[in-house]
Amino acid sequence: QKEVEQNSGPLSVPEGAIASLNCTYSDRGSQSFFWYRQYSGKSPELIMFIYSNGDKEDGRFTAQLNKASQYVSLLIRDSQPSDSATYLCAVFASGGFKTIFGAGTRLFVKA
Amino acid sequence: GAVVSQHPSRVICKSGTSVKIECRSLDFQATTMFWYRQFPKKSLMLMATSNEGSKATYEQGVEKDKFLINHASLTLSTLTVTSAHPEDSSFYICSARPLASDTNTGELFFGEGSRLTVL
Repeated sequence: QKEVEQNSGPLSVPEGAIASLNCTYSDRGSQSFFWYRQYSGKSPELIMFIYSNGDKEDGRFTAQLNKASQYVSLLIRDSQPSDSATYLCAVFASGGFKTIFGAGTRLFVKA
Repeated sequence: GAVVSQHPSRVICKSGTSVKIECRSLDFQATTMFWYRQFPKKSLMLMATSNEGSKATYEQGVEKDKFLINHASLTLSTLTVTSAHPEDSSFYICSARPLASDTNTGELFFGEGSRLTVL
């Protein structure tokens, strides 16, 4: 079982719609959860992080965490073509000291 | 946010030569830096964890004599690809974890990446 799993996609949504990206993780000791965006040929950039169960909103982005279900998601409201990228879910457990990345979900926002 | 600078951004070299890539944390100190490689349309692959003042920890399957890592200060880690071959051509990315958050958050900041092409 992979430690951090994401649907590779591609996920295609029309401009203005809500894009929903999902991630599951296997280590119940995980304590920090991150979403990174990576454009083609570029390095990842941090979008959001979440530590506590529930929702965390930042502009058009909302991260959701459910530790009981070992599930974290990212919602992008009012999707724009510029949001088209690969979104990486990352999980950190202090005991392991490493941040584990999922394989990423490719998102296409159609104009 | 914290800034990590990686240099060079692109390098083309002949087969058999060695290439050094630098990763610097510009406005914070990092006891730990991470090196990744990424093939086109593939996920990040962690190569090694670079620890300031000690030997790097390599992931399974990564040749430590091929990919030399030095972390001589709290702001600089280098990756040297020795005797490079065409199959080493890839996108190499470093990341750093701020010293203040070493034991709590796991937040990483990435360099811009270095695209290596070995002819």
